[in-house]
Amino acid sequence: DQQVKQNSPSLSVQEGRISILNCDYTNSMFDYFLWYKKYPAEGPTFLISISSIKDKNEDGRFTVFLNKSAKHLSLHIVPSQPGDSAVYFCAASATGAGSYQLTFGKGTKLSVIP
Amino acid sequence: NAGVMQNPRHLVRRRGQEARLRCSPMKGHSHVYWYRQLPEEGLKFMVYLQKENIIDESGMPKERFSAEFPKEGPSILRIQQVVRGDSAAYFCASSPELAGVRYEQYFGPGTRLTVT
Repeated sequence: DQQVKQNSPSLSVQEGRISILNCDYTNSMFDYFLWYKKYPAEGPTFLISISSIKDKNEDGRFTVFLNKSAKHLSLHIVPSQPGDSAVYFCAASATGAGSYQLTFGKGTKLSVIP
Repeated sequence: NAGVMQNPRHLVRRRGQEARLRCSPMKGHSHVYWYRQLPEEGLKFMVYLQKENIIDESGMPKERFSAEFPKEGPSILRIQQVVRGDSAAYFCASSPELAGVRYEQYFGPGTRLTVT
């Protein structure tokens, strides 16, 4: 039972354009969401997070949008750069006991074409 | 400030052998988490430890797997009598102690275990 779903295994985008990575969740108890970026043979690197009390959080080229009613979040990268090519994981956690447990999606492989 | 260290990076074991995976958290971090990533899957939580305490091992298989985080030294994830299905990437993460504040977990590079 996948509680965090990333339905696009891969995405290709031209350099300079916007990359939009999507994530859906089913557990209504999730209230904190994170995006991690992962290069081959490395560990995930934290990118950006958002609490459920917000609907948008921005950090440089990265913006995360949260639509609680749709249980959907997205990561926007503008402008996309070749160095952004990696696998992006969406993760979520719930307040309370076990809030440290991150539940990950399967990831979306982003390829930014020069 | 060194990041989370894991060793070995690659480990090959024959079926029935033991695997020991080590993790040194970031300096100043007292919370350690282990995750497992099977091929084509996301990371799955296994266990959460603080120094000398297992806080939550709800994600650990009931048999053959154990974890510790001693007062001195790295955290160890131990897999006894490995089977082919244990082949995966095992990631360790750490976080600082910030009670009441949500914080991200910082991941190590992982140990890729191959069972032959």
